[in-house]
Amino acid sequence: GQNIDQPTEMTATEGAIVQINCTYQTSGFNGLFWYQQHAGEAPTFLSYNVLDGLEEKGRFSSFLSRSKGYSYLLLKELQMKDSASYLCAVDSNQAGTALIFGKGTTLSVSS
Amino acid sequence: DGGITQSPKYLFRKEGQNVTLSCEQNLNHDAMYWYRQDPGQGLRLIYYSQIVNDFQKGDIAEGYSVSREKKESFPLTVTSAQKNPTAFYLCASSTGRRNQPQHFGDGTRLSIL
Repeated sequence: GQNIDQPTEMTATEGAIVQINCTYQTSGFNGLFWYQQHAGEAPTFLSYNVLDGLEEKGRFSSFLSRSKGYSYLLLKELQMKDSASYLCAVDSNQAGTALIFGKGTTLSVSS
Repeated sequence: DGGITQSPKYLFRKEGQNVTLSCEQNLNHDAMYWYRQDPGQGLRLIYYSQIVNDFQKGDIAEGYSVSREKKESFPLTVTSAQKNPTAFYLCASSTGRRNQPQHFGDGTRLSIL
């Protein structure tokens, strides 16, 4: 079966660092994506990992361990506008290039 | 500007009625996808199309139908056979290559009258 797990909710304060974890069990693996989604809006692409290691992109970084079926998204210098849902998605090669999504982690940033 | 346009933004369906959600892209993408999002459920794949004139069922295709007669367009019909259609529907497109992200439209929120 296919399964992607993320925490449902997280809270943090402005200026802090937060790590959102994602574990996956899929029958195939071609890469892992992270998306940000504000309430009622379209998901927007944040990062892509296919090889083990850390990918850094400004305040956001994403890490992948293929052997452990594990990824995390690291958000630094949190801002209020970072309050959103963060979606972990796997390209498992089971449905063309369609993705399997986790249920998302809702992050609330307070001042 | 290139992008994906979904319409309408809000849609109401009566009992026994079929409704069609529009999705148009001008990104010259080969692949297009339809996802359904319910609260606390994440995105679930309804249908996908890797190339024009071809499409495949996703995990929750029952009660839905699609067509892909043009590269730019991938409309989704929610039929009366879909007994629980209330959800947020998202259309996406991509180049169809493995390391390329999907780009999403702004979604259509469908409710039952």
